[in-house]
Amino acid sequence: DTAVSQTPKYLVTQMGNDKSIKCEQNLGHDTMYWYKQDSKKFLKIMFSYNNKELIINETVPNRFSPKSPDKAHLNLHINSLELGDSAVYFCASSQDVGDADTQYFGPGTRLTVL
Amino acid sequence: AQSVTQLGSHVSVSEGALVLLRCNYSSSVPPYLFWYVQYPNQGLQLLLKYTSAATLVKGINGFEAEFKKSETSFHLTKPSAHMSDAAEYFCAVTHQAGTALIFGKGTTLSVSS
Repeated sequence: DTAVSQTPKYLVTQMGNDKSIKCEQNLGHDTMYWYKQDSKKFLKIMFSYNNKELIINETVPNRFSPKSPDKAHLNLHINSLELGDSAVYFCASSQDVGDADTQYFGPGTRLTVL
Repeated sequence: AQSVTQLGSHVSVSEGALVLLRCNYSSSVPPYLFWYVQYPNQGLQLLLKYTSAATLVKGINGFEAEFKKSETSFHLTKPSAHMSDAAEYFCAVTHQAGTALIFGKGTTLSVSS
């Protein structure tokens, strides 16, 4: 009964490959997010979706493409992987009602590009 | 634009000592402020949040933080550190529900026996 889940937890791949990371939340939340945590542990927003619509699209290479098939899922597809894409990617969700804006985070996906 | 500065990338305390992790924010609008904790190889867990109600906010695991508008600060404290508190702590700010969190660079808390 994990609230926000991500698969896979670890992903090791070669440069140039295409890979996807999946995220699912069972909290009934309206908004979902992707954050990237770099090797220095700095966290930065990449995308957010509200009810399947893209809301935030930070300065991220267009090799990264989020897809939200429904309100409970937000997947991240990455084309032509580069060494600099190695990081931990976190999915999060929130319910955006008044003060109830706590973002709940998934366990993260550690991506290593060789 | 909003930003968060966490003073001290690494804080070391003895078990039983006071924990003080500093966070200063910059925001042109009333902020929502958060403290998250990240244990090794895990996701982020909310410790507490300030959303314009009481300025002294109590969170989980005995942590609390006080919002001081005049000092633009939201420092995290715990009266007595436990070994299990050793982790990475992040302060974050946003200005409305449904928007992205802007994180500080994090503070690593080490607790020695």
